[in-house]
Amino acid sequence: GQQLNQSPQSMFIQEGEDVSMNCTSSSIFNTWLWYKQDPGEGPVLLIALYKAGELTSNGRLTAQFGITRKDSFLNISASIPSDVGIYFCAGHLDSNYQLIWGAGTKLIIKP
Amino acid sequence: NAGVMQNPRHLVRRRGQEARLRCSPMKGHSHVYWYRQLPEEGLKFMVYLQKENIIDESGMPKERFSAEFPKEGPSILRIQQVVRGDSAAYFCASSPLASPNSPLHFGNGTRLTVT
Repeated sequence: GQQLNQSPQSMFIQEGEDVSMNCTSSSIFNTWLWYKQDPGEGPVLLIALYKAGELTSNGRLTAQFGITRKDSFLNISASIPSDVGIYFCAGHLDSNYQLIWGAGTKLIIKP
Repeated sequence: NAGVMQNPRHLVRRRGQEARLRCSPMKGHSHVYWYRQLPEEGLKFMVYLQKENIIDESGMPKERFSAEFPKEGPSILRIQQVVRGDSAAYFCASSPLASPNSPLHFGNGTRLTVT
């Protein structure tokens, strides 16, 4: 089936550092969404992107919809302890309503 | 403004029993989606429903699994004669418009353990 390749799989960073993660695919996506999931909770929407080249911020988070429509990145600036969790990219192919998910990036902040 | 409500949060069933998972969408949302998540993986689409209609059940196993979203009441995902491989977290999401025109809002899931 369709796949989203999300990297890195996990990140160990110091508090205050900037974080960058991305998703790529061999297929063209119509939308890209970034979610965060805490242990025992459901995914929470962070940023939704609907247009190629779109760059959107939500506080310290910034995400971009790649111009080729085959990739997206998420940046977190000046990380804080509550940023710990698993970040997922997800997207829609064409106008299909099924969300295709990456495998997640686990963010761990070193004390 | 309550979010998507799922219950129970945890469900333990013995092999062969039935599991019923409930989902109440956000107020004003008539589109409901069920996803399944295994540990260390992303979510996998199972079924998409609007009120009283199944729109797409292509991600749901044809046997033992069924879903409904009645005119009144929550959406139900039913798994009959559960097996160990059914153990997973099951998430429900809702949206006011058909995805992808509006993003999905997820509940906190039901974690099913089959012993």
